[in-house]
Amino acid sequence: GNSVTQMEGPVTLSEEAFLTINCTYTATGYPSLFWYVQYPGEGLQLLLKATKADDKGSNKGFEATYRKETTSFHLEKGSVQVSDSAVYFCALPDTGRRALTFGSGTRLQVQP
Amino acid sequence: DVKVTQSSRYLVKRTGEKVFLECVQDMDHENMFWYRQDPGLGLRLIYFSYDVKMKEKGDIPEGYSVSREKKERFSLILESASTNQTSMYLCASNPGVAGNSPLHFGNGTRLTVT
Repeated sequence: GNSVTQMEGPVTLSEEAFLTINCTYTATGYPSLFWYVQYPGEGLQLLLKATKADDKGSNKGFEATYRKETTSFHLEKGSVQVSDSAVYFCALPDTGRRALTFGSGTRLQVQP
Repeated sequence: DVKVTQSSRYLVKRTGEKVFLECVQDMDHENMFWYRQDPGLGLRLIYFSYDVKMKEKGDIPEGYSVSREKKERFSLILESASTNQTSMYLCASNPGVAGNSPLHFGNGTRLTVT
């Protein structure tokens, strides 16, 4: 079935540093891909999505490009802020179900 | 904006108790889900439902059951709580049948079983 692998954390960066969180997927066909963010004490929020190959999703300064050649959907941000400290999850549709399958999450800590 | 509301943010229960976790969504979504979140394991699907009275097992249904008597409400039941069910529980919903829709999550219930 569909699955996703993302880099382990925690990732610790200084404010204004460049962020990359790697995500690779295994899937049948070309499903939509998602990034979710979880701030401390909260549920998951949709951060961005891409619905087809070569699409770029973007939101709040974060970007991710759907690359079918490398089966990847890496999350990037040019200049992180302390307020970006959270756990980030890569996800894609579950096989044969209307749910999503999630990666194990990557904790980002941004220091002032 | 879609709102998914979980009735409790924190719960502490004793081993053997019957526990109810309630979830309500206000956007008339067909599909509702229960996940549990544990460090290093990400989110794992417990149960889901596509319609009233309908339920399907997810990947880790053992020790849990669910109830969907109304379209907007999806309850997770721990028949006899055990310490290995201490976890964060997340309810989610989405519309439609295509399977490509993003999920909308509640804020989670952190359950501790002592």
